[in-house]
Amino acid sequence: AQKVTQAQTEISVVEKEDVTLDCVYETRDTTYYLFWYKQPPSGELVFLIRRNSFDEQNEISGRYSWNFQKSTSSFNFTITASQVVDSAVYFCALSEARTGGGNKLTFGTGTQLKVEL
Amino acid sequence: GAVVSQHPSRVICKSGTSVKIECRSLDFQATTMFWYRQFPKQSLMLMATSNEGSKATYEQGVEKDKFLINHASLTLSTLTVTSAHPEDSSFYICSARVGFGGYTFGSGTRLTVV
Repeated sequence: AQKVTQAQTEISVVEKEDVTLDCVYETRDTTYYLFWYKQPPSGELVFLIRRNSFDEQNEISGRYSWNFQKSTSSFNFTITASQVVDSAVYFCALSEARTGGGNKLTFGTGTQLKVEL
Repeated sequence: GAVVSQHPSRVICKSGTSVKIECRSLDFQATTMFWYRQFPKQSLMLMATSNEGSKATYEQGVEKDKFLINHASLTLSTLTVTSAHPEDSSFYICSARVGFGGYTFGSGTRLTVV
């Protein structure tokens, strides 16, 4: 069975600080996808990144970066120079990469990030 | 990009009535749709997976007769909460598979049962 653990329930930082959100996953599959989503107070899910299990390259997109470490089953997310607009709940998620449909997403419990002035 | 339109965004209903939530794929065909429920300050929990033209597959602990899912076409999936009670008040969100390994989400429906 798949499992995603986000141990940090809530993080508070001051604007311009860097912050890392942790994600640890469990799966028996060798092929899978990992995701990060942002959920602002309005509720909609904003897609941030998808990474497949064969691609361990770290990625940077503006102030966002992701560190995928297969050896430790972790997919951590770092926001550099945080801003108030980054305040939201962030979810890490995992799906199997099998063909034929299904392939449900399993979400972590989320990390509430509060960025204050 | 692939867009799923979910309606209504908010609904308040009386206890005992039924509520229907619709998710439409606007520019692609959604063969598989997922329905999630999210209680305040909690994660998204998968309720069921529906495939066009067949019966939905429900997760353990989800009442099939209470949460009716219909996926009669490739562009429309509906979730009907029957005989709603206050404990059904939650945020419901649909998601469709896009391509291989991608997902797109509706904007969610906040249901309040009074």
